[in-house]
Amino acid sequence: QKEVEQNSGPLSVPEGAIASLNCTYSDRGSQSFFWYRQYSGKSPELIMSIYSNGDKEDGRFTAQLNKASQYVSLLIRDSQPSDSATYLCAVGGAGSYQLTFGKGTKLSVIP
Amino acid sequence: NAGVTQTPKFRILKIGQSMTLQCAQDMNHNYMYWYRQDPGMGLKLIYYSVGAGITDKGEVPNGYNVSRSTTEDFPLRLELAAPSQTSVYFCASSYDEKLFFGSGTQLSVL
Repeated sequence: QKEVEQNSGPLSVPEGAIASLNCTYSDRGSQSFFWYRQYSGKSPELIMSIYSNGDKEDGRFTAQLNKASQYVSLLIRDSQPSDSATYLCAVGGAGSYQLTFGKGTKLSVIP
Repeated sequence: NAGVTQTPKFRILKIGQSMTLQCAQDMNHNYMYWYRQDPGMGLKLIYYSVGAGITDKGEVPNGYNVSRSTTEDFPLRLELAAPSQTSVYFCASSYDEKLFFGSGTQLSVL
């Protein structure tokens, strides 16, 4: 059974701070990693994807992947109240189009 | 830019009733999915399809059925609704493993 673990939070950070969201996964064969943002009452939307070890930056977002430690993280710099949402980590296997989702971490950015 | 369209947005069913959740996408994606999301939980895959005429079970398929007669449409059928099927249902299509979600259907079975 493939598992994806996230701290459910809530994680509270002050406006302008760096928010750090973490995710671990059980399947060593996993090849693709995604972060989705879900506002309350809305559907998830993709914000980051990462496939190889290291960092990937997109604006205020940085995804970090360490396959040896089976760990993926999302950093949000200069956090804004509009970043308050639940962040879902999703992991895919090689050649598989089925993603396994974590339960999500709820982030609150305090003005 | 319609993307993935789901209907209805809300529905209340009585135990034992049946219904079909509609899903359509206009992005010409081959892969489509149905997920359910319970409060405080992640997304659980119900069924998926890799193309017209091809469907397969996901993690939680019991109590549901799907069909895929066209690339665009992927309806989800609930037969004999049970309270355990109270959830929010999301349809999605994908390209390069990146999922695009519909707006969801909130279903209550009472």
